[in-house]
Amino acid sequence: GAVVSQHPSWVICKSGTSVKIECRSLDFQATTMFWYRQFPKQSLMLMATSNEGSKATYEQGVEKDKFLINHASLTLSTLTVTSAHPEDSSFYICRPTSGRAPDTQYFGPGTRLTVL
Amino acid sequence: RKEVEQDPGPFNVPEGATVAFNCTYSNSASQSFFWYRQDCRKEPKLLMSVYSSGNEDGRFTAQLNRASQYISLLIRDSKLSDSATYLCVVNIFWGKLQFGAGTQVVVTP
Repeated sequence: GAVVSQHPSWVICKSGTSVKIECRSLDFQATTMFWYRQFPKQSLMLMATSNEGSKATYEQGVEKDKFLINHASLTLSTLTVTSAHPEDSSFYICRPTSGRAPDTQYFGPGTRLTVL
Repeated sequence: RKEVEQDPGPFNVPEGATVAFNCTYSNSASQSFFWYRQDCRKEPKLLMSVYSSGNEDGRFTAQLNRASQYISLLIRDSKLSDSATYLCVVNIFWGKLQFGAGTQVVVTP
């Protein structure tokens, strides 16, 4: 099966700092990347969708200037949480898909962010 | 109203017993349906797709009722390792997934 990696797997930072999360698809070309976050005991919520080489499309209520997404290559996408605050503490998960397989069901292992 | 709704549980199930639970979805144009399993602090992993005719994968049976917009999952002969949160997932279009909040299953010895 497809392999997806995320780095870091967990991070603790101080309020006001920025955190970059990397998502890599290791054995297929990810033309589209979905970024989710999950708060405790809640469902995964889609934050944004990005296509390689294009600007990301953000879901309603997600601030594009706070959650910067870069999808410059077919194997790497990054999510940067800028000026993180405690309410941004969450589990962030990526899901890469390819144009031929939009239903690709492989998720990254997730990044647990704790903002103090 | 949530787009995908599930009973959060927990469903406490004796080992070897059967447990079943449902989820309902609001978007009638949804294209495909799945059950995922999520362990604590881990990413979701695909358990099985759900087809209109109903499908089985070992001890797991999934059903889809498009008319009533609900999906079910049944687990037979529960194992301790089945303890997890089961997520109902709906593909509304071209890979865009909507997730339920999950149903927690706890299998006890």
